Amino acid sequence: EAQVVESGGTVVQPGGSLRLSCAASGFNFADHAMHWVRQPPGKGLEWVSVINWNGAVTYYADSVTGRFTTSRDNDKNSLYLQINSLGPEDTALYYCARGGSRPYFMDVWGSGTTVTVSS
Amino acid sequence: QSALTQPASVSGSPGQSITISCTGSSSDVGTYDHVSWYQHHPGRAPKVLIYDVSNRPSGISHRFSGSKSGMTASLTISGLQAEDEAYYYCNSYSSDTTHYVFGSGTKVVVL
Repeated sequence: EAQVVESGGTVVQPGGSLRLSCAASGFNFADHAMHWVRQPPGKGLEWVSVINWNGAVTYYADSVTGRFTTSRDNDKNSLYLQINSLGPEDTALYYCARGGSRPYFMDVWGSGTTVTVSS
Repeated sequence: QSALTQPASVSGSPGQSITISCTGSSSDVGTYDHVSWYQHHPGRAPKVLIYDVSNRPSGISHRFSGSKSGMTASLTISGLQAEDEAYYYCNSYSSDTTHYVFGSGTKVVVL
């Protein structure tokens, strides 16, 4: 069964940095684009980033461009999100999601990891 | 970046059909047939119901169907069941710098 599991969420001070990880299993990780999506408390889903199958192409939401960096290690079946210059607006549940067989949707989601930005 | 517009809440009785709208612009829904829909029960992982406007992934009930007209996509749930009570989000590919944009989300209430 295809599965993704996020980790690395914690409480961070404003201005701090953090790296989230996503471990994939049950499918050929290198065959799929991967997304990050977040959900602030009490709000809806917000798309954050996508990376293509080999890591050569990444796209970001305007709200995180320049502060977030997505990368992947296909040998380790892992996806990463480096988050810098954290602000209160980055407090959210961060989901990792697999890109579908056609690239424009997300077909396998994790349960998320929580990032809280607070002093 | 602006989220796609969805009604905040839609309700229906068991067995009824309901439709959730998702209105975008010429940069996303109006131009691309890359609209997907997700069901989200709080505390659980979101689940894809529809992709590319009207395609159902394997294992998704035929009670869920999608369509699009102009700049508005729609998700219809037929034969409403108690387990359908959840939040529903549309998503579209966008030619803006946003690349992908979610809808504002709709809470479905089963009366």
